[in-house]
Amino acid sequence: QVQLVESGGGLVKPGGSLRLSCAGSTLTLSDNYMSWIRQAPGKGLEWVAYISGSGATTKYADSVKGRFTISRDNAKNSLFLQMNSLTGEDTAVYYCARDRGYCISGSCGYYFDYWGQGTLVTVSS
Amino acid sequence: DIQMTQSPSSLSASVGDRVTITCQASQDISKSLNWYQQKPGKAPKVLIYDASNLQTGVPSRFSGSGSGTDFTFTIGSLQPEDFATYYCQQYYKLPRTFGQGTKVEVK
Repeated sequence: QVQLVESGGGLVKPGGSLRLSCAGSTLTLSDNYMSWIRQAPGKGLEWVAYISGSGATTKYADSVKGRFTISRDNAKNSLFLQMNSLTGEDTAVYYCARDRGYCISGSCGYYFDYWGQGTLVTVSS
Repeated sequence: DIQMTQSPSSLSASVGDRVTITCQASQDISKSLNWYQQKPGKAPKVLIYDASNLQTGVPSRFSGSGSGTDFTFTIGSLQPEDFATYYCQQYYKLPRTFGQGTKVEVK
């Protein structure tokens, strides 16, 4: 049973920072692209960032670019999201998820197949 | 960014009903579309990938179709455990974007 467990969420003041972690069990994170996806209270899903297995490639949503940094520690089988300059619009449940790539008959695609339980980040004074 | 528009935003249905949700992309995304189910307080779960491929372990009452800009997600016969919110998501181009969701409620 693949498990991804996020931690590090909590209450932070506007302008503050927080570091989220995602630990994998039975899933070797270094073999996979991994993403962070967030969901504001009562709202839809928003992809935040992804990182390649080696960590050499990272991509971000424009809404977090320059403020958030995705990273990984393959020795600890862990994924991180460093969040700086937080605002109320960053209040959300943050999920880590495996970004599974596949190819069928020469056509390749991606979907999020394993997700953590989520960790709530609340930005408020 | 590619905008994904789902319709309807919510619907009421009964057990046994056939339920159809549509998703429209703001540009041609070929078949680069996934469908997820989310229940309250839980992480989303992938049901359909590549527009029409059923994820392993997902019941066959779920299906997807479409390509280009117009996609359809169908629940053939709604079961009690299917009351949830459903999202489409494109991966044709970064950023990966989701539809706003369709909440399937008890009639």
